[in-house]
Amino acid sequence: AQRVTQPEKLLSVFKGAPVELKCNYSYSGSPELFWYVQYSRQRLQLLLRHISRESIKGFTADLNKGETSFHLKKPFAQEEDSAMYYCALRMDSNYQLIWGAGTKLIIKP
Amino acid sequence: EAEVAQSPRYKITEKSQAVAFWCDPISGHATLYWYRQILGQGPELLVQFQDESVVDDSQLPKDRFSAERLKGVDSTLKIQPAELGDSAMYLCASSRNFYEQYFGPGTRLTVT
Repeated sequence: AQRVTQPEKLLSVFKGAPVELKCNYSYSGSPELFWYVQYSRQRLQLLLRHISRESIKGFTADLNKGETSFHLKKPFAQEEDSAMYYCALRMDSNYQLIWGAGTKLIIKP
Repeated sequence: EAEVAQSPRYKITEKSQAVAFWCDPISGHATLYWYRQILGQGPELLVQFQDESVVDDSQLPKDRFSAERLKGVDSTLKIQPAELGDSAMYLCASSRNFYEQYFGPGTRLTVT
């Protein structure tokens, strides 16, 4: 069955340190992966998608089909990166999203 | 900038009562989603509309939940009767092209 796993519920790093939020998926079809972010008191919003291969707010994510992973990375964390991050898998069969449980990222000053 | 609207933002109801949530998607977005998000978990799709038609409601507990999007614009999600386990955040999202979903602020439901 399709599944998205974010192994860390909470990740705390110091400002300026590198950040990596892990996402692993299980899906037999052709996956499309997304990262959504929810800042405090704001609504859930798209951060980036693997198909666009772009960097948003300094974040990048590479789809590794061999390891079935889509980890989110940023070389130098900033305090404004503190938020809840969700990894999501879009199934090619019906375009629905399967969501991970989320990782709360805290950037310490 | 256009946003998805939801109301109410908060709802407290007693178990066995009926409750309804409303969502107004971004104009021109044909696809509308209702999600339930339990604390500590990611969103779980309840129902997906394409215009006024239900595309998928396989995860909707149909004995107590119903959803409609009569004119293919705004949508209502109803629970009757509410149970304690229904306490959650109910999110509405809309999409134009299946690539990006735009979310509303959500309705936090507490069933006592």
